[in-house]
Amino acid sequence: DVKVTQSSRYLVKRTGEKVFLECVQDMDHENMFWYRQDPGLGLRLIYFSYDVKMKEKGDIPEGYSVSREKKERFSLILESASTNQTSMYLCASRSGLGIAETQYFGPGTRLLVL
Amino acid sequence: RKEVEQDPGPFNVPEGATVAFNCTYSNSASQSFFWYRQDCRKEPKLLMSVYSSGNEDGRFTAQLNRASQYISLLIRDSKLSDSATYLCVVNPFGGYNKLIFGAGTRLAVHP
Repeated sequence: DVKVTQSSRYLVKRTGEKVFLECVQDMDHENMFWYRQDPGLGLRLIYFSYDVKMKEKGDIPEGYSVSREKKERFSLILESASTNQTSMYLCASRSGLGIAETQYFGPGTRLLVL
Repeated sequence: RKEVEQDPGPFNVPEGATVAFNCTYSNSASQSFFWYRQDCRKEPKLLMSVYSSGNEDGRFTAQLNRASQYISLLIRDSKLSDSATYLCVVNPFGGYNKLIFGAGTRLAVHP
């Protein structure tokens, strides 16, 4: 079974803090993704990575950066946390292509910014 | 207009009922379509891909209507364990591009 793990299930941070969210996958997938999920808005893509050291902006990259130094690890960084970044953050890795594509998600990190 | 739109529900149905969800998408050139399931406070998981000719997996049937730009999910003989949020997902550009997720339709199956 594919396993995607995230470093924390719950986090509480203060406004202005730098926040690191880590994601690790064990299936040697090249593509990895960071989403946030908010009620009524669904999953929105923050950043994705096609391969090591490669990154692409998603739909809502402002206030975030990412790092992919190793294939299995994709980190999301909140440079200066703000209250509107309170959300559920989900990491995913992808296998397959087209109709055969599957995204495998980690359990999520609930971040509260005070 | 949202790229992928779903009725948020909730759909409250008794066990054994048949229930159907629709989802519309805005990009007529969209390539691939999926249904994901998300249990309460859990991560989404792929339920099924949606083939052009429609496809079935046990009690679940997915259909694609390209002319009207919608996909549907039919669940027959609902079980309590089917209670979840069902996410409609579209790959508008094909290939190794991003997926667009709908906000989800919540289903509650009661005894």
